[in-house]
Amino acid sequence: AQKITQTQPGMFVQEKEAVTLDCTYDTSDPSYGLFWYKQPSSGEMIFLIYQGSYDQQNATEGRYSLNFQKARKSANLVISASQLGDSAMYFCAMREGPHNFNKFYFGSGTKLNVKP
Amino acid sequence: DAGVIQSPRHEVTEMGQEVTLRCKPISGHNSLFWYRQTMMRGLELLIYFNNNVPIDDSGMPEDRFSAKMPNASFSTLKIQPSEPRDSAVYFCASSLEGYEQFFGPGTRLTVL
Repeated sequence: AQKITQTQPGMFVQEKEAVTLDCTYDTSDPSYGLFWYKQPSSGEMIFLIYQGSYDQQNATEGRYSLNFQKARKSANLVISASQLGDSAMYFCAMREGPHNFNKFYFGSGTKLNVKP
Repeated sequence: DAGVIQSPRHEVTEMGQEVTLRCKPISGHNSLFWYRQTMMRGLELLIYFNNNVPIDDSGMPEDRFSAKMPNASFSTLKIQPSEPRDSAVYFCASSLEGYEQFFGPGTRLTVL
């Protein structure tokens, strides 16, 4: 089974609107971490946001928030007030196990296009 | 902080040649990861190290691939002999205690 599933290969959003990128994960370990990365066309991988499995509140970083639904094993990324510069590939990732174990899994990515 | 440093940024070689990719992680980070990214396969984890020790190399595609981390500030990924299907972008990333990974700029490898 896939550890990380991103079901949206591509998405469009109008500039200034909010967009949700879906991510579901699969683990039986009670300790894990969830991450989102952005990869613009220039190719670099940029860390956006982190959510730990024991964190009670959803993580937020500026215009990014992570909608963490533990029972559903989903970790959707919400981008508010989309900007043209948000057009990129977005990857969801999971670290399975506690911090001293570093097995990371990445999803296949979602390509976001922000329309002016 | 200089971030994760990879060299070379671009490498073009001929089939059968040995290729060595280099990575310098962020100082103080205790984990290092090598990834390969292609259009067909996406982002694949090849191998990762904790405190310079290889922990999981199950993603290394074949015996032609090998990786070393002789000290906390340097790692290499070697392909010998290289094949056209090895053409990809190879990323190195480092992290501290399992938190976010910081990626290097990548090495774009082309094997002719």
